[in-house]
Amino acid sequence: KQEVTQIPAALSVPEGENLVLNCSFTDSAIYNLQWFRQDPGKGLTSLLLIQSSQREQTSGRLNASLDKSSGRSTLYIAASQPGDSATYLCAVLGNTPLVFGKGTRLSVIA
Amino acid sequence: ETGVTQTPRHLVMGMTNKKSLKCEQHLGHNAMYWYKQSAKKPLELMFVYSLEERVENNSVPSRFSPECPNSSHLFLHLHTLQPEDSALYLCASSQDGGGLREQFFGPGTRLTVL
Repeated sequence: KQEVTQIPAALSVPEGENLVLNCSFTDSAIYNLQWFRQDPGKGLTSLLLIQSSQREQTSGRLNASLDKSSGRSTLYIAASQPGDSATYLCAVLGNTPLVFGKGTRLSVIA
Repeated sequence: ETGVTQTPRHLVMGMTNKKSLKCEQHLGHNAMYWYKQSAKKPLELMFVYSLEERVENNSVPSRFSPECPNSSHLFLHLHTLQPEDSALYLCASSQDGGGLREQFFGPGTRLTVL
């Protein structure tokens, strides 16, 4: 059974810092991995999707990497801004439908 | 309207009420999903419909009844709910059968059961 773990559970950083969010999964037989952002009480916004054959994806200040063999993904956020404050969720699609981690709650302090 | 929409956005109901949540996707996708998000728990998949056929029912109590009349619409019928069913209910859609299979989510319905 696929399990997804995200570390840390919460993170607070000053504005302008670069930061890394971690995601690990137990079954490396995945089809893709998605990173989402969720603002309080709202739905999920897809940030990046990495297919199993890819190593990384970039969108603006965001860069996501995937190491399928070790069951790990990282989301790198450059030059963080207060508007980046949200919960970031990692989810993997494999033999089972999308399995989510519990998320990392990020606060960027101005 | 673009993307995935959900109505209502907020719902308060008593344990004896019957209500329905509605989801509509405008992305031309062929798969739709219901998720439940409770406080401090990961998103839980409830139901999956692919090509309007239910392909996943994740041990959800029978007081939750899904309906998918066509590939663009998904409903979740609720009856005799319990207070512990209070949560954010999220709908998503994707294009299955190869390709990215990226899931797109609606804004959710915040359900409170009194």
